Amino acid sequence: GAGVSQSPRYKVAKRGQDVALRCDPISGHVSLFWYQQALGQGPEFLTYFQNEAQLDKSGLPSDRFFAERPEGSVSTLKIQRTQQEDSAVYLCASSARTGGYEQYFGPGTRLTVT
Amino acid sequence: DQQVKQNSPSLSVQEGRISILNCDYTNSMFDYFLWYKKYPAEGPTFLISISSIKDKNEDGRFTVFLNKSAKHLSLHIVPSQPGDSAVYFCAASALDRGSTLGRLYFGRGTQLTVWP
Repeated sequence: GAGVSQSPRYKVAKRGQDVALRCDPISGHVSLFWYQQALGQGPEFLTYFQNEAQLDKSGLPSDRFFAERPEGSVSTLKIQRTQQEDSAVYLCASSARTGGYEQYFGPGTRLTVT
Repeated sequence: DQQVKQNSPSLSVQEGRISILNCDYTNSMFDYFLWYKKYPAEGPTFLISISSIKDKNEDGRFTVFLNKSAKHLSLHIVPSQPGDSAVYFCAASALDRGSTLGRLYFGRGTQLTVWP
């Protein structure tokens, strides 16, 4: 069965460029999460969608980060005016339930800002 | 501040023996705990979970133990196999609590190496 997919898998951006990262969750999953994972660290929460509603964006590190899920399925994480500190792996996860139950992760997008 | 801690960055175990990975947490609101396994260049893969109403959950070679009073959990892998070599992340959540809405809090991971 199809799992969570993310694209692109790797992205190199020059400092100041805008990037858009895509997530295709498991079909029918109502909950969608974005996490950021720095080297040697565990994933850190960025934002949460329940269907198309963004219910929690408290983990977004700055107003340069923006996420959307307009039709309750595919989600896009956009980073404007990228900075070197944005270099990380961005993970998307989906869950069939609301609440803190099992989440199923995609392979991630490795973003490198030069 | 790190609310979920994995104090051992690495663990090396011989094939066939038991692997024990440890995790501590500080937030008493956490009531659901999960273990994930991660291979290089892949996303974390869900392994096993446990609710705070239990103290043990078993799935094949994997068993998770929870000690609520000590705010400690552990993952036991018996017997360990070379294919188990990966980074293991402990995660915690506060189920359906309005303030956290299902986010997972992760530790920094433990690199398990199982040698033949």
